[in-house]
Amino acid sequence: SAVISQKPSRDICQRGTSLTIQCQVDSQVTMMFWYRQQPGQSLTLIATANQGSEATYESGFVIDKFPISRPNLTFSTLTVSNLSPEDSSIYLCSVDTLQSNEKLFFGSGTQLSVL
Amino acid sequence: QKEVEQNSGPLSVPEGAIASLNCTYSDRVSQSFFWYRQYSGKSPELIMSIYSNGDKEDGRFTAQLNKASQYVSLLIRDSQPSDSATYLCAVRRFYGGSQGNLIFGKGTKLSVKP
Repeated sequence: SAVISQKPSRDICQRGTSLTIQCQVDSQVTMMFWYRQQPGQSLTLIATANQGSEATYESGFVIDKFPISRPNLTFSTLTVSNLSPEDSSIYLCSVDTLQSNEKLFFGSGTQLSVL
Repeated sequence: QKEVEQNSGPLSVPEGAIASLNCTYSDRVSQSFFWYRQYSGKSPELIMSIYSNGDKEDGRFTAQLNKASQYVSLLIRDSQPSDSATYLCAVRRFYGGSQGNLIFGKGTKLSVKP
């Protein structure tokens, strides 16, 4: 499986600010995804990070709120903009490799708390 | 109807018993099925994948798939306190021959009592 480094592991932010989360993989991967896990809830896909092009967002998520970059095959960032307390969640990077046979592997997650 | 449904639990079993976790899904074209374990405050960890009807065993874990009934289960034999976690069922769909996204259930919280 791929080794996925995600940072920061946690942060406390003020309302109205932004937080950028980084995801670095130790090998080239085909697909990179960003998920959100709200307290007591399951994982919800925010978007698929596409290398060299705009991310593909799921219903209910927009680029202005969750801008995503993927400059190469091993790195992606997710920014959560104009933070509100409702954005307090765990954000998870996940990857799907050619060798993984559709299995998704997750980074360690970012615990975001918005005051 | 939710796409992937699980009993949220908590499911409590004594140490050494068999824990049975169940999952149903709504989309008949789903092709790939996964079980993830998530400890509190940690990210999900893949423990089993299954793609065809029947049973698949890996150590103490057995995944069972019945596509006709749209049902996936996970059995944990000889349950240990270290198995106490939330177990997430995930289903991957296909659209027009290409891979779709992983859809997760809400998870079942398992507690194994010593």
